[in-house]
Amino acid sequence: GAVVSQHPSWVICKSGTSVKIECRSLDFQATTMFWYRQFPKQSLMLMATSNEGSKATYEQGVEKDKFLINHASLTLSTLTVTSAHPEDSSFYICSASPGTSDTDTQYFGPGTRLTVL
Amino acid sequence: AQKITQTQPGMFVQEKEAVTLDCTYDTSDQSYGLFWYKQPSSGEMIFLIYQGSYDEQNATEGRYSLNFQKARKSANLVISASQLGDSAMYFCAMSLGAGGTSYGKLTFGQGTILTVHP
Repeated sequence: GAVVSQHPSWVICKSGTSVKIECRSLDFQATTMFWYRQFPKQSLMLMATSNEGSKATYEQGVEKDKFLINHASLTLSTLTVTSAHPEDSSFYICSASPGTSDTDTQYFGPGTRLTVL
Repeated sequence: AQKITQTQPGMFVQEKEAVTLDCTYDTSDQSYGLFWYKQPSSGEMIFLIYQGSYDEQNATEGRYSLNFQKARKSANLVISASQLGDSAMYFCAMSLGAGGTSYGKLTFGQGTILTVHP
C-alpha cells in the first residue's frame, strides 16, 4: 500500500515550452500533496504544498506563475512548468500521505527528470 | 525555523558490518517527527524509519534502527549487517506537528552518500 506514481518519468523539451507532470496516489486519498525539486547530488527542496480544492501554498522564492499546481482530485496533483528554460532542468518529486496526522509518513513518487534544451 | 544537519557527505563501510549515519536537528517545537529516506541512483525516495518526538523507545525496522537522543537533538540511523544494495544517498528529514501550515512538510538534511564495499 501507499504507492505514489508520477508521469512522465523523464521529459526533454525545448526552451519556451510548457511541461505538465502528474502525481497520483494509487491506493489512498491525499488531501495534501507536496512538490519538491532536487538538483544533482543535492537535497530536496520543497517547492509548494498542493491542497485539494484550493490554491497551492508556495515556498518563499518559488514563482507561482511559473510553477502552476492544480490538485484536481484526492488522488491527483499536477505541476506545470510554464515557459521552461534550461535553468528549470531538475528532478521533480512529489509526495503524499495517506494519514491525517501531522507527522504521518510521506510517500514519494519515483520522480520526473526534466531537461530543457 | 527548523533545520536538519547531516555532517557526513560520504561514508564507506565493509559488507556485513554496521554503519551509523549522523543527523542532528534544530527546532523549538515540542511535537515533531524524524524520518530517514534512502535514495538509490534511480532517484526514488524509499522510506526507511520514523521516530516521533514523544516516542520513548528508539525506532527499529529490520536492519535499520534510529538512535534518538532528544536532549542532544540527534537522530542517527544505524544500519546493521550492511549489504551491497545499501549503497545509496541517505536523507534525514523532519516534519513538524501541531498542524497549521507546517502539516506534513518535510525539511531535509544535505544527505550522506553511503558506499558498501564487498
